[in-house]
Amino acid sequence: KQEVTQIPAALSVPEGENLVLNCSFTDSAIYNLQWFRQDPGKGLTSLLLIQSSQREQTSGRLNASLDKSSGRSTLYIAASQPGDSATYLCAVYGGSQGNLIFGKGTKLSVKP
Amino acid sequence: NAGVTQTPKFRVLKTGQSMTLLCAQDMNHEYMYWYRQDPGMGLRLIHYSVGEGTTAKGEVPDGYNVSRLKKQNFLLGLESAAPSQTSVYFCASRVPEVVYEQYFGPGTRLTVT
Repeated sequence: KQEVTQIPAALSVPEGENLVLNCSFTDSAIYNLQWFRQDPGKGLTSLLLIQSSQREQTSGRLNASLDKSSGRSTLYIAASQPGDSATYLCAVYGGSQGNLIFGKGTKLSVKP
Repeated sequence: NAGVTQTPKFRVLKTGQSMTLLCAQDMNHEYMYWYRQDPGMGLRLIHYSVGEGTTAKGEVPDGYNVSRLKKQNFLLGLESAAPSQTSVYFCASRVPEVVYEQYFGPGTRLTVT
């Protein structure tokens, strides 16, 4: 059974710092991996999707990498801002029902 | 193009009451999903559908029923609500293509007292 783990569960950094969020998964047979952002009391906003054949994807200050063989993905956020404060969720496609399997998220707080 | 919408946004039920959550998508997607999100548990799949008229169970289906009478709509029903069903419910949809990207609705926050 596929399991997705995100470390750390919570992270607090000063504004301007570069940071890395980690995601690991137990079964390397995935179709792709998706990173989401969730603000308190809100829905999920898709940030980046990496297909299984890709190594990384970039959008603005965000860069996500994927290493299928080791079962790991990282989300790199450059020059963090208070507006980046949110919970970041990692999810993989690999379930037998074609669904996403989610980690529990990393709660990021960026202090001014 | 509204994407994925969910109705209602909030609801409070008493134990034993019933209700239906509606998910609608205007992207002509075949696949639709219902997830629930609980603190410390992440999102878990309740039921899903791979096309009009089809439904299947996910990881946590007990206490819920679903219907997909029209391609654009996916309904989640609670016949007799229990406090354990207090959660945030998210609907999602996708096309059956290689990319597999899912699009999520804004969620329904349900409290059962």
